[in-house]
Amino acid sequence: DAKTTQPTSMDCAEGRAANLPCNHSTISGNEYVYWYRQIHSQGPQYIIHGLKNNETNEMASLIITEDRKSSTLILPHATLRDTAVYYCIVRVGHNAGNMLTFGGGTRLMVKP
Amino acid sequence: DSGVTQTPKHLITATGQRVTLRCSPRSGDLSVYWYQQSLDQGLQFLIQYYNGEERAKGNILERFSAQQFPDLHSELNLSSLELGDSALYFCASSVAPTSYEQYFGPGTRLTVT
Repeated sequence: DAKTTQPTSMDCAEGRAANLPCNHSTISGNEYVYWYRQIHSQGPQYIIHGLKNNETNEMASLIITEDRKSSTLILPHATLRDTAVYYCIVRVGHNAGNMLTFGGGTRLMVKP
Repeated sequence: DSGVTQTPKHLITATGQRVTLRCSPRSGDLSVYWYQQSLDQGLQFLIQYYNGEERAKGNILERFSAQQFPDLHSELNLSSLELGDSALYFCASSVAPTSYEQYFGPGTRLTVT
């Protein structure tokens, strides 16, 4: 699996867009990018995933660069409830062992 | 609410004891995963079951075991507990055995004293 690199922490003002970067320069052609978040001590929450096209759902947008070596998760209007640790995970689409491997993630603090 | 339920929420027990954690997956999900989150190790995958069969194993200790029952609920058994087993234990479920879109329960906080 490709290794991911994320900033340890970020701040964002409430109501503004939060842009969380992830580098995955060793990603291979069949590996998807997944984003999860964990609000303090709660179970991780699936946010979005993508292969090469940009994706959007009700929670967020995922922008993947053309070379697929990096991606950005965008929370368009961050609220205080978006304060959490955000994990970028790169996995092969179909694998006999589809466990999630969580790294350190980015601790996003949304401030009033 | 993810639809995954876990009981109990909190568990306090002594070293050397045995405990059982229970998980009910989302309706329709056949695959169940167990993860452990401790302060020093982060979130780590333990084991996966799909439709009653073990599918994948992670860094699960021999003192730990799990099973998935015909009604698809799962139990994680932890025995000969040590102080270092204190952690949050999460269960997750997914529809397909190969899906990385997993839905996590609220967790069981285990404290070993």
